[in-house]
Amino acid sequence: AQTVTQSQPEMSVQEAETVTLSCTYDTSESDYYLFWYKQPPSRQMILVIRQEAYKQQNATENRFSVNFQKAAKSFSLKISDSQLGDAAMYFCAYRGNAGNMLTFGGGTRLMVKP
Amino acid sequence: NAGVTQTPKFRILKIGQSMTLQCTQDMNHNYMYWYRQDPGMGLKLIYYSVGAGITDKGEVPNGYNVSRSTTEDFPLRLELAAPSQTSVYFCASSTRQGSNFKAGANVLTFGAGSRLTVL
Repeated sequence: AQTVTQSQPEMSVQEAETVTLSCTYDTSESDYYLFWYKQPPSRQMILVIRQEAYKQQNATENRFSVNFQKAAKSFSLKISDSQLGDAAMYFCAYRGNAGNMLTFGGGTRLMVKP
Repeated sequence: NAGVTQTPKFRILKIGQSMTLQCTQDMNHNYMYWYRQDPGMGLKLIYYSVGAGITDKGEVPNGYNVSRSTTEDFPLRLELAAPSQTSVYFCASSTRQGSNFKAGANVLTFGAGSRLTVL
């Protein structure tokens, strides 16, 4: 079974600064997808960014980018120019070949200081 | 476009009571899922469905039942509620995974969640 680990329960960043959230995963599959979801206090799960394992280029969405290291099974999220609205729980998630189910990490709470 | 709608948003149950969490999606998605999120934890899959009439267990199915009589609806039933079922429940849906895995990651659309407390 796949596992997803987020080793940072909490992170803090100053507004306008850059922060990196870590995620590692364990799998024996070669084809898979990785995701970062944001969960603000409203509890809604919002997709931030996704990465296809077969693509070497790191995904980027505006201020959000990933550092995907397939050999190391590492998938970190970098948030540039942090904004107060970025404060939320962030979940890393894995999806393999079978079905469309996601396996989630335990989450990282990001606090943004003004 | 409503997306995924869950009801109720909040519910308090007594031990041993039963209830059904409703989930409806209007995007004609084949796949639907129920996840639970315990305090400070990630989401765990309870049950999922790949289409009407087909359901399967996820990681934590004990104490729950589901049905999928239509494409739109995927209710989750709790029988004999226990304190361990105190959690936030999320319903989600997605399109069918294509035959070509590399055709694209079918992104899940989540409902707003239902907070259940069992006392």
